[in-house]
Amino acid sequence: GENVEQHPSTLSVQEGDSAVIKCTYSDSASNYFPWYKQELGKRPQLIIDIRSNVGEKKDQRIAVTLNKTAKHFSLHITETQPEDSAVYFCAATPPGGGNKLTFGTGTQLKVEL
Amino acid sequence: DAGVIQSPRHEVTEMGQEVTLRCKPISGHNSLFWYRQTMMRGLELLIYFNNNVPIDDSGMPEDRFSAKMPNASFSTLKIQPSEPRDSAVYFCASSFWRTSGTPYHEQYFGPGTRLTVT
Repeated sequence: GENVEQHPSTLSVQEGDSAVIKCTYSDSASNYFPWYKQELGKRPQLIIDIRSNVGEKKDQRIAVTLNKTAKHFSLHITETQPEDSAVYFCAATPPGGGNKLTFGTGTQLKVEL
Repeated sequence: DAGVIQSPRHEVTEMGQEVTLRCKPISGHNSLFWYRQTMMRGLELLIYFNNNVPIDDSGMPEDRFSAKMPNASFSTLKIQPSEPRDSAVYFCASSFWRTSGTPYHEQYFGPGTRLTVT
C-alpha cells in the first residue's frame, strides 16, 4: 500500500518568514495530495490540495508543489503569522483507492513573534 | 449544514467495558472514515465505508474493534472489551466519492471523541 513520509516533524520560524514542509510517497500511481491543518484540540481541516495533472497550486499565502518524477510534494507558507501555528499533515491517495487517504506523520509548526 | 456529528465528545471508561462511538456524516456524503489519533502513532485510518459498505478494515487493530454503517446517516465504532492502550481521540470523517468525473473530494472531520480507558 501507499506510504507517506513527512519532514520535518517540528518546525519553528519567526513571524513573517516562510515555512516549507516536505512529503514523499511510495505509490507512483497516487494522484491526489491534500494538506490538512490541525490546531490544538481541534479537528483536521483541509487547507489545500493538488492533483497529479498540476505541478503547483497557490491560495493566498499557501502553495503546494508536486514532483511526480521524484514522488514528492511540498507545502509552502509565506509571511507566516502566529495563527499558522498548528500541526500540518500531508496525505496521498492512489487511483482506485476509494478516496482512502494515507497521512504523513505530521509537522508541528510554531510561528514565534 | 451541521457538519459531521460525533458522540460522545468525551468518554471515560474502565478496562474491560464496552465502548460505542457514534457518527452522523454530512448529508449527501457517501464515504465515511474512522480514524484514531495518538501522539505515538499519529493519524491512523481504522476502516472506511463507501455507500454503507465496508471497503477496507485493514487498519482495525484487532477483533476487539468493530464498525457498522446500517444506513447512510449513521455509523458506530465499538470496542469490546476496552483496554488502556485504546485511549486516543477517535475521528469520524465523511466525503463525497464517485468513480467518474472528479473522484476525490475533501474529507470533513467531526470534532472527535476523546476516549480514556483506565
